[in-house]
Amino acid sequence: DQQVKQNSPSLSVQEGRISILNCDYTNSMFDYFLWYKKYPAEGPTFLISISSIKDKNEDGRFTVFLNKSAKHLSLHIVPSQPGDSAVYFCAASPAGTALIFGKGTTLSVSS
Amino acid sequence: GAVVSQHPSRVICKSGTSVKIECRSLDFQATTMFWYRQFPKQSLMLMATSNEGSKATYEQGVEKDKFLINHASLTLSTLTVTSAHPEDSSFYICSVRYQSGYTFGSGTRLTVV
Repeated sequence: DQQVKQNSPSLSVQEGRISILNCDYTNSMFDYFLWYKKYPAEGPTFLISISSIKDKNEDGRFTVFLNKSAKHLSLHIVPSQPGDSAVYFCAASPAGTALIFGKGTTLSVSS
Repeated sequence: GAVVSQHPSRVICKSGTSVKIECRSLDFQATTMFWYRQFPKQSLMLMATSNEGSKATYEQGVEKDKFLINHASLTLSTLTVTSAHPEDSSFYICSVRYQSGYTFGSGTRLTVV
């Protein structure tokens, strides 16, 4: 049973436009959510996080929105840049234990 | 944030041999480390939680006798893949939770031939 779901395996966006990556979760015990960027054969690189007491967190071009009632979060990247092309993983944790990852969404930003 | 060093980054071994992967927390005392495995185009799957000074907690479906985890100090956890088979070929990553979040090692690409 997949607790963290990223239903879009891929997303293509033009440079300068907004990228929106979505993530749904099923476990109501999750209280901490993170987004990671990953290249092949490398460890994940942390992008941004949000705790369950907030509904929005912003850091530069990256904004994460959390809708607890819908058990949904999204990552907005604006403006998108070609260097943003990578696989993006949504991850969640219940009470500081191990992260549970979604399957990832491959973002391609074309110039 | 915390820095984690994982070694080796890449290893090729013969079927039936054992391989040890090290994960070191360089600037943080980690009582708990996490081990993940990622198959091509798949998610990072939690294998086990490594606890300093006690036995690791394995996720369902992960063979504890095959994937030996040792966490003898607050800065080092090791994962040993015993009697490796080609189906064990994967990307293994360790992770540490620290005060401000989680950090990951750079991963180990294991290829069993």
